Amino acid sequence: DSGVTQTPKHLITATGQRVTLRCSPRSGDLSVYWYQQSLDQGLQFLIQYYNGEERAKGNILERFSAQQFPDLHSELNLSSLELGDSALYFCASSAGRVSYEQYFGPGTRLTVT
Amino acid sequence: AQSVTQLGSHVSVSEGALVLLRCNYSSSVPPYLFWYVQYPNQGLQLLLKYTTGATLVKGINGFEAEFKKSETSFHLTKPSAHMSDAAEYFCAVTSDTGGFKTIFGAGTRLFVKA
Repeated sequence: DSGVTQTPKHLITATGQRVTLRCSPRSGDLSVYWYQQSLDQGLQFLIQYYNGEERAKGNILERFSAQQFPDLHSELNLSSLELGDSALYFCASSAGRVSYEQYFGPGTRLTVT
Repeated sequence: AQSVTQLGSHVSVSEGALVLLRCNYSSSVPPYLFWYVQYPNQGLQLLLKYTTGATLVKGINGFEAEFKKSETSFHLTKPSAHMSDAAEYFCAVTSDTGGFKTIFGAGTRLFVKA
């Protein structure tokens, strides 16, 4: 158990809908990272937040957004969903701004039908 | 820009045999290098990391990796494979260009035969 929690574990929704994925980092970790894992794209870095502020941005679509709240939990919002958004979404956390090592949550499996 | 290449999307070894998973990286500045393991239906777990200092790093479950700057490689080895090592392994690189983003390789699935 990494100490990172993600909810929900599974999510099934229809095209065009909007969903919110939630992540709670390990106790004391200030950075949260979001990743998308799919068979064709592999593990893609989406975005990092550090202590409430956006720190780094990866291959995140404009339809996706994230935020980190004062209690350090983070939410990833996915809107106007397409079939291709079906994937595993992982959250990870690390202690500081620099990710010398990251602790991954169990993931949320999103299925868009 | 930094990148990671893992040679071989699938590797199969017999139980007790040497495990060698290959990783080459590209980075314009000194990199930080990692190996993660992912078991089915789970998140990634850090196996080992290289930041600075000794180039041979030891990790959990008997794995080790050696940073070779001249070869831009960070191959993962284990002397004797166990059935429980069957999983997917990801090499990753982080550097201070591009805001310390971590780039993961495509992964190598390790199969262990009895």
